[in-house]
Amino acid sequence: NAGVMQNPRHLVRRRGQEARLRCSPMKGHSHVYWYRQLPEEGLKFMVYLQKENIIDESGMPKERFSAEFPKEGPSILRIQQVVRGDSAAYFCASSSQRGTQYFGPGTRLTVL
Amino acid sequence: GESVGLHLPTLSVQEGDNSIINCAYSNSASDYFIWYKQESGKGPQFIIDIRSNMDKRQGQRVTVLLNKTVKHLSLQIAATQPGDSAVYFCAEEEVQGAQKLVFGQGTRLTINP
Repeated sequence: NAGVMQNPRHLVRRRGQEARLRCSPMKGHSHVYWYRQLPEEGLKFMVYLQKENIIDESGMPKERFSAEFPKEGPSILRIQQVVRGDSAAYFCASSSQRGTQYFGPGTRLTVL
Repeated sequence: GESVGLHLPTLSVQEGDNSIINCAYSNSASDYFIWYKQESGKGPQFIIDIRSNMDKRQGQRVTVLLNKTVKHLSLQIAATQPGDSAVYFCAEEEVQGAQKLVFGQGTRLTINP
């Protein structure tokens, strides 16, 4: 009974490159959430998606960041033209409708 | 904006003692609260939750207390073990809009042998 899966676990990018982070929710979950965590800080909400729909993207930077959760396949968080300030741990969580959010192991992005 | 915060950033306890981690929240309309445990290099792990129609909920070695009058949440861990060493976050689920969680800064719990 696999939990939330994220890949890659570690990602290194140079400034200006693109980063793609993937999240597969727990079996039976149709709600996906992305959070960002800076060192020694709590998680900050970015976006909430259901299949093929963005429900709430109030925590997403207006530029360079996008997210999708297609009908088939994992949810993708995409960061274009990365900058050093994008270096952080990105966590995905999933839930059933109105259920508890369960988190994946995270992707640690380092921008050189 | 409203946010969830914690009183103490670090807490050290002796193995076998009980520990209490506190959390203050400011959104009086929130009706769902969760405690997560995060070990180094890992994602947050669900510990226990509570809804606003309750003031206490118990799990295995853990108890969450909710005081809506003063908007205070606490996590009690009984008979702490070395494996309890981690950062503990309280999180608040907003009632309106999306089901996003608002996290506090976290408390680092260290268990001394």
